[in-house]
Amino acid sequence: RKEVEQDPGPFNVPEGATVAFNCTYSNSASQSFFWYRQDCRKEPKLLMSVYSSGNEDGRFTAQLNRASQYISLLIRDSKLSDSATYLCVVDSGGSNYKLTFGKGTLLTVNP
Amino acid sequence: GAVVSQHPSRVICKSGTSVKIECRSLDFQATTMFWYRQFPKQSLMLMATSNEGSKATYEQGVEKDKFLINHASLTLSTLTVTSAHPEDSSFYICSARDQYGVGLSYNEQFFGPGTRLTVL
Repeated sequence: RKEVEQDPGPFNVPEGATVAFNCTYSNSASQSFFWYRQDCRKEPKLLMSVYSSGNEDGRFTAQLNRASQYISLLIRDSKLSDSATYLCVVDSGGSNYKLTFGKGTLLTVNP
Repeated sequence: GAVVSQHPSRVICKSGTSVKIECRSLDFQATTMFWYRQFPKQSLMLMATSNEGSKATYEQGVEKDKFLINHASLTLSTLTVTSAHPEDSSFYICSARDQYGVGLSYNEQFFGPGTRLTVL
């Protein structure tokens, strides 16, 4: 099983659609969870951290289920500018602060 | 705050030459920096963890003699790709962790803009 596994995508949605990304991780010792977005040929940028209680930032909602080792990201009312690759990122669970990245899911929002 | 720069942003070199990439934390001190490599349509793969004042820790399968890492100060880490070959062509990205773990999360890393290396 891959350390961090995401929906392979790609996703093509119209503007205004709601889109959900799923991610599973294998390391039960992981403590920190993130969603990053990466635009083509650019570095990843932090979108949001994911907390056990779930968290929301505007149109973005992230959820974590530790028992299932599952993370999700929901984007509501998608905009053209949301088009990017979304990366699920999980820490190694140790004291070395290493992060493991999923392969990413490409989202294209169409007008 | 929490800005990381990389230089150069793009480099094209001949096979057999060495290329040095710099990673700087501009407004915070980074005891730990990370070097990643990303091939087209692949995810970021951690190459090594760089700790200020000590030897880097390399991930399995990464040749330490080929990818030389130096982290001489709290704001600068360098990656030197020695005797580069076409298969080393990739997008190299560094990240830095704030010394005090300040950020949205204790494990948050701040990424540089990346260096695109093309070896002819």
